[in-house]
This record gives sequence, C-alpha cells and structure tokens, in this order.
Amino acid sequence: AQSVSQHNHHVILSEAASLELGCNYSYGGTVNLFWYVQYPGQHLQLLLKYFSGDPLVKGIKGFEAEFIKSKFSFNLRKPSVQWSDTAEYFCAVNAPNDYKLSFGAGTTVTVRA
Amino acid sequence: GAGVSQSPSNKVTEKGKDVELRCDPISGHTALYWYRQSLGQGLEFLIYFQGNSAPDKSGLPSDRFSAERTGGSVSTLTIQRTQQEDSAVYLCASSLGGAVTDTQYFGPGTRLTVL
Repeated sequence: AQSVSQHNHHVILSEAASLELGCNYSYGGTVNLFWYVQYPGQHLQLLLKYFSGDPLVKGIKGFEAEFIKSKFSFNLRKPSVQWSDTAEYFCAVNAPNDYKLSFGAGTTVTVRA
Repeated sequence: GAGVSQSPSNKVTEKGKDVELRCDPISGHTALYWYRQSLGQGLEFLIYFQGNSAPDKSGLPSDRFSAERTGGSVSTLTIQRTQQEDSAVYLCASSLGGAVTDTQYFGPGTRLTVL
C-alpha cells in the first residue's frame, strides 16, 4: 500500500512570497500523483495531477508541481502567493491499477495580506 | 453543471443509533468513492463503486459500515450502532470511471457527530 508524507503541517507567509509544499510517497512502482486544495468552507478540488510525461506539471491558479522519481517526491510550488491561496493542501497518490487515493495529512497555508 | 451533492450536511446522533448518509454523484460518472476525514486520521478511503458493484471495500473500518449504490447513481453509506469514534466528515467523490487517472470530484461532505 502507498503512504504519503507532507512534512509541513502549517505554513504562514505574506502575499507575494513564494510557496513550496513538500510531498513524499512510499511505493515501489509507478504512481499517479495529485494535489488537491480545500479553500475555507469549500469542498476538495483538484489543483493538478501527474501520471506520465513531463515531470513538471502546471495546474490551475498558477500552481505547478515537479515529480522527482529518484526522491519519491511531488512538491507543489507557486512563485507568488495571494491572500486567496489561504487553504488546506493535500497530496494524494494511487497506483496504476488502483482507483482509491491515499492522501497525506494535509498542509494548512495561511497567507497574510 | 451540478457537482457531487451529499445529504445531510450535518448529522448529530446518539451513540448506538443507525445513520444513513447519501451521495448524488455527477451525472454520467460511473465510479463513486467514499472517504472519511477525521482529526488525527486525515483522509481515509472507505469504499469504491464501479456502477452498482463495489470491487474495493477494503477501507470499511468494521462490519457496522455498509454501502450500496443503486441505478448506477445514488449511493448510501450506512453506519449501524454508531460509536463516538465514528465522528468525522464523510466525503463522497465521483469520477468518469474509465481510468485510474480520472479526476475525482468531491462533494461537500456530511459532518457526523456521535454523542
């Protein structure tokens, strides 16, 4: 079974700062990788996903993530955050033959205006 | 278009009572999932439906938990003899169903509180 680690529990930063959230997974084979976001009072929605091809994936709202196979990592980045990026961010994985997602514990991001 | 809907949005029950949680997936989505989000446990998978069949029930925590899906659409998650540790937000998601890389679209969840 896969497991997912998100090392940062809570990140606080100012507007225009750069953001990087770590995600590491443990699984020996090929995986599909996802970042989901949950804005306050809203439901989970997909930011981006990776399953093959270019390891640098661009998602919605200016987010991107880089898959580094040798490090079992899929870190999320945004060069310049806005107050509206305040949310909880979840990394998730599934194996190629498995529909269910395994989620990390989530990282709460607070952006101060 | 309409997203995944869940009802009720909040449910408070007494220990030992049975509860039913409902999920209406996006129209045309053949795959449906239930997850649970609780403090200290994060988001956990419960069960997956493809059509009306449940090929993966591996996440159901005990035999008090069951789920069904009818008409390839609505799903109901039933928890019998609720316990305080069942308190959590129960999330439903659906996907088009053809591939494991399909995006799972989540509903707003049902917050269950067991007193």
